[in-house]
Amino acid sequence: GAGVSQSPSNKVTEKGKDVELRCDPISGHTALYWYRQRLGQGLEFLIYFQGNSAPDKSGLPSDRFSAERTGESVSTLTIQRTQQEDSAVYLCASSLRRNSGRSYNEQFFGPGTRLTVL
Amino acid sequence: GQNIDQPTEMTATEGAIVQINCTYQTSGFNGLFWYQQHAGEAPTFLSYNVLDGLEEKGRFSSFLSRSKGYSYLLLKELQMKDSASYLCAAADSNYQLIWGAGTKLIIKP
Repeated sequence: GAGVSQSPSNKVTEKGKDVELRCDPISGHTALYWYRQRLGQGLEFLIYFQGNSAPDKSGLPSDRFSAERTGESVSTLTIQRTQQEDSAVYLCASSLRRNSGRSYNEQFFGPGTRLTVL
Repeated sequence: GQNIDQPTEMTATEGAIVQINCTYQTSGFNGLFWYQQHAGEAPTFLSYNVLDGLEEKGRFSSFLSRSKGYSYLLLKELQMKDSASYLCAAADSNYQLIWGAGTKLIIKP
């Protein structure tokens, strides 16, 4: 389909290991977001990419978290030295661009990656 | 600080009407979104309000009062498939979405 895809869908890892999560946005969408959602909780903003501009990293919880995006394509979220509190669903969303002025741009979400840190 | 409040859980009967409230406090305001999230699935967009008033879209309507920092989502003629979590999110001055924890709606026959 033409939606946002994420891989892997599930990841189980041991505490202390590094993990890499991947997001393929909808073609043509310049804005890409990463969120974390813990069980029964709302979405926690992590990082935002807009085209070739510097990313908004204000939501990253620690320096163990980093993300990259090349142009307007695939993004990877890397968590180093995973901890048990990192266990959550990591959601990626894309939109045509970030909202501005009177226009809004709906965010389309991928199915998420469920990360379990043992 | 920035904050979104919505009830944790609500229960309603099939065929009835339910109103899910959301209050927000943000640094600047650029609109209010409602998303639906079925268990184990990704959120999907329902509505966007930036001006005061009621926006109707089929069985779902969304209301906004900017002066009160308040919105609600109204669901009519409830169906079992409406059982889901409903997420309220407000866009701040930087157009970053601040998300509520979601309201889990349980529909009973």
